[in-house]
Amino acid sequence: DIQMTQSPSSLSASVGDRVTITCRASQTIGRYLNWYQLRPGKAPKLLIYAASILQNGVPSRFSGSGSGTDFTLTINSLQLEDFATYYCQQSDFTPLTFGPGTKVDGK
Amino acid sequence: QVQLQESGPGLVKPSQTLSLTCTVSGGSVSSGTDYWSWIRQPAEKGLEWIGRINNSGSTNYNPSLKSRGTISVDTSKNQFSLKLSSATAADTAVYYCARERLIAVRSTDSYSYYYYLDVWGKGTTVTVSS
Repeated sequence: DIQMTQSPSSLSASVGDRVTITCRASQTIGRYLNWYQLRPGKAPKLLIYAASILQNGVPSRFSGSGSGTDFTLTINSLQLEDFATYYCQQSDFTPLTFGPGTKVDGK
Repeated sequence: QVQLQESGPGLVKPSQTLSLTCTVSGGSVSSGTDYWSWIRQPAEKGLEWIGRINNSGSTNYNPSLKSRGTISVDTSKNQFSLKLSSATAADTAVYYCARERLIAVRSTDSYSYYYYLDVWGKGTTVTVSS
């Protein structure tokens, strides 16, 4: 299985901050990398697919980059509704695998 | 707007079969290139992909389930289902159903094909306990 790691596991930030989350795959996965946002009581939300393509309806303050084994999710000007847990997921091979998550909470 | 809704017992006894159904509205499980997936999240843990099925019945499962999982699709009801046999406390989790969509992305002189989970249900909590 492809192992996904994320860093940091959690971070504290304020509204307006720029937040960067990194994701690493245990082997090269090209650009087969997706990012999701999970908030309690809500359906998980796809943010980014193919490493850098913004899903329809997702605010442009979210962006993704990377290829191969190293990827980044950036949130520019963090908003209140962005406090959540973020997961990366590789879609190159089955079983699909997720990173352990990065929890973004308020300072 | 496609929506997914999980349903099933919230409490399952150990050794019994955990059974869940996902009802699809606003779309069709018969859609040509889509897969329909199950994912779970134990409390205080990350997401684990369970498996998926497409409209022709082709399935993929996570080997971590040790062949306990069965995913099926009922096109007449526009639903797909998960059965997990020999349930244990380790199967206690929030279970999500999701649509896995295929998209072709054009680069300079070719196309690349990507899958992503673009629509999810809100999840249903299943506890395995006597």
